[in-house]
Amino acid sequence: GIQVEQSPPDLILQEGANSTLRCNFSDSVNNLQWFHQNPWGQLINLFYIPSGTKQNGRLSATTVATERYSLLYISSSQTTDSGVYFCAVSWAGTALIFGKGTTLSVSS
Amino acid sequence: NAGVTQTPKFQVLKTGQSMTLQCAQDMNHEYMSWYRQDPGMGLRLIHYSVGAGITDQGEVPNGYNVSRSTTEDFPLRLLSAAPSQTSVYFCASSAGQGGNSPLHFGNGTRLTVT
Repeated sequence: GIQVEQSPPDLILQEGANSTLRCNFSDSVNNLQWFHQNPWGQLINLFYIPSGTKQNGRLSATTVATERYSLLYISSSQTTDSGVYFCAVSWAGTALIFGKGTTLSVSS
Repeated sequence: NAGVTQTPKFQVLKTGQSMTLQCAQDMNHEYMSWYRQDPGMGLRLIHYSVGAGITDQGEVPNGYNVSRSTTEDFPLRLLSAAPSQTSVYFCASSAGQGGNSPLHFGNGTRLTVT
């Protein structure tokens, strides 16, 4: 099956810093999504981004499907950005497979 | 809209007991799925359904049963609970199949099996 690798596994930032999270996948996908799990355990869908670039406020994401990677950019980080960020991929309408996540800690 | 609703939020079982985790969505989504989350393992797919009357196994289906009699509901049954099933369980739904539209999660059920 498809393998999903996220890096870095852990990231510590000061408030106001920028960061880039990476998601590599081992095979062709026609779908990719990014999620944020907040410290209370809730999973929030950030982006549905099978290809191209999208922006939502301070967050943006880029997927280059032909090169099998996606990037999540967080600018001017805030303490509320803390949590775990997951990338998930699928092919041909099958179920999403999740990476192990990047744990982000933002301190004030 | 309530979105995806999971009950209960917390549950403690003894080994060998059975129970049903409830999941309901009010978005008329065809696709529903169950994941479990364990420390350091990310989310692993247990079972999924692409519509009423249709279910299929995911990555870790052993010890769990599902059924989909209505579009709204997708209960997960633990037949004989084991300590290895201690985990946080998430139900999710989307308008499309599997991954071709945004996936929405419930708030999770934290299950402890002693």
